[in-house]
Amino acid sequence: DIQMTQSPSSLSASVGDKVTITCRASQIIDNYLNWYQHEPGKAPKLLIYSASTLRAGVPSRFSGSGSGTHFTLTISSLQPEDFATYYCQQSKDTLALTFGGGTKVDIK
Amino acid sequence: QVQLQESGPGVVKPSETLSLTCTVTGGSISSYYWTWIRQSPGKGLEWIAYTSKIGSTKYNPSLKSRVTISLDPSRNQFLLNLTSVTAADTAVYYCAKSTSYSFDPWGPGTLVTVSS
Repeated sequence: DIQMTQSPSSLSASVGDKVTITCRASQIIDNYLNWYQHEPGKAPKLLIYSASTLRAGVPSRFSGSGSGTHFTLTISSLQPEDFATYYCQQSKDTLALTFGGGTKVDIK
Repeated sequence: QVQLQESGPGVVKPSETLSLTCTVTGGSISSYYWTWIRQSPGKGLEWIAYTSKIGSTKYNPSLKSRVTISLDPSRNQFLLNLTSVTAADTAVYYCAKSTSYSFDPWGPGTLVTVSS
């Protein structure tokens, strides 16, 4: 299986801060990388697919970049509704889809 | 727009079979791929399986021997069966629509506890 490693596992930030989350794949996955936001008690939401394509309706303060094995999710100016856990997911190996361990973003 | 809702028993006894249903509204089950994902307490997300009307079904290799996913087009639902459950199968189970192996949207999730 392709292992997905996220860092950091948690971070504290303030409203207005720029936040960057990293996701590394154990092997090359081209741009087959998706990002999700998960608020407690709610359904996870797709934010970005194919590493850098913003899902319709997702605020433009979210952006994704990377290719190969190294990917980043950036929130340019953190808003109160952005405090959540973020997960990356690889879709290169369609016989064994895997997620990163998550990055919890909470209020400093 | 497509919406999903999971349903099933909240508690399952060890060694028994966990059966869940995902009801799809706003779209036909005969289109797209459909998937199950779970999150054990305090842990991350784990993909379980996906299927489509055309019969392309795939299972997580770690669960393959115990899992069955199927479609019920007459009710616009898809189903999950997980046999021989243990405490390790205690989790929130989500159903989702899959497009190009990303998941969107998801249902709100249903907690299943394995306990005697």
